[in-house]
Amino acid sequence: EIVLTQSPGTLSLSPGERATLSCRASQSVPRDYLGWYQQNPGQAPRLLIYGASSRAPGIPDRFSGSGSGTDFTLTISRLEPEDFAVYYCQQYGSSTRTFGQGTKVEIK
Amino acid sequence: QIQLVQSGGEVKKPGALVKVSCKASAYTFSNYGITWVRQAPGQGLEWMGWISGYNGDTKYAEKFQGRVTLTADTSTTTAYMELRSLRSDDTAVYYCARDSAYYDSGSVFDPWGQGTLVTVSS
Repeated sequence: EIVLTQSPGTLSLSPGERATLSCRASQSVPRDYLGWYQQNPGQAPRLLIYGASSRAPGIPDRFSGSGSGTDFTLTISRLEPEDFAVYYCQQYGSSTRTFGQGTKVEIK
Repeated sequence: QIQLVQSGGEVKKPGALVKVSCKASAYTFSNYGITWVRQAPGQGLEWMGWISGYNGDTKYAEKFQGRVTLTADTSTTTAYMELRSLRSDDTAVYYCARDSAYYDSGSVFDPWGQGTLVTVSS
């Protein structure tokens, strides 16, 4: 099973700042099948990024994904008020789908 | 728009079973699969298993093997998750999400149902 470790656990930033979230895999993610989700309190997760770097339809271009193999990054170029949420990475390339433990982006 | 609508919240006693439904609409059910994910209070996301809407094939996370059964009714485009021998630590919000029709094809989960809170308490 591929274990995904996200860092930091919490990111305290101000609106307008840049957010950089990391997701590291215990082994190479096949085909770079890595996605990112956003979850607001009391809501279901929402897909942001698939295939490590492709934005899902309707996702603003301030969200971008990068990386390959074992190291992946989600970048939010300029934080909007609605971006303060919890973000999860997830791999879907191996025999068991797994999630990272999440990074909370909070208002500083 | 593509939508997954789940059944309502449940309260169960330890040792009981729960069955949660997930009704899909606005897409061809047999072209995709359904995955199930749960989230305990204040915790992260945990993948439970997958079922193909095409042929009913299933794949379960090792942790839930033997205790969970996923089924799908193509005539009603509804997927079901049954969890047995409930314990207090099964208290969680259970989500369904659209996945790939073939497990090895791999797919992100999109969209998601609204979630179903299952509370296990004596």
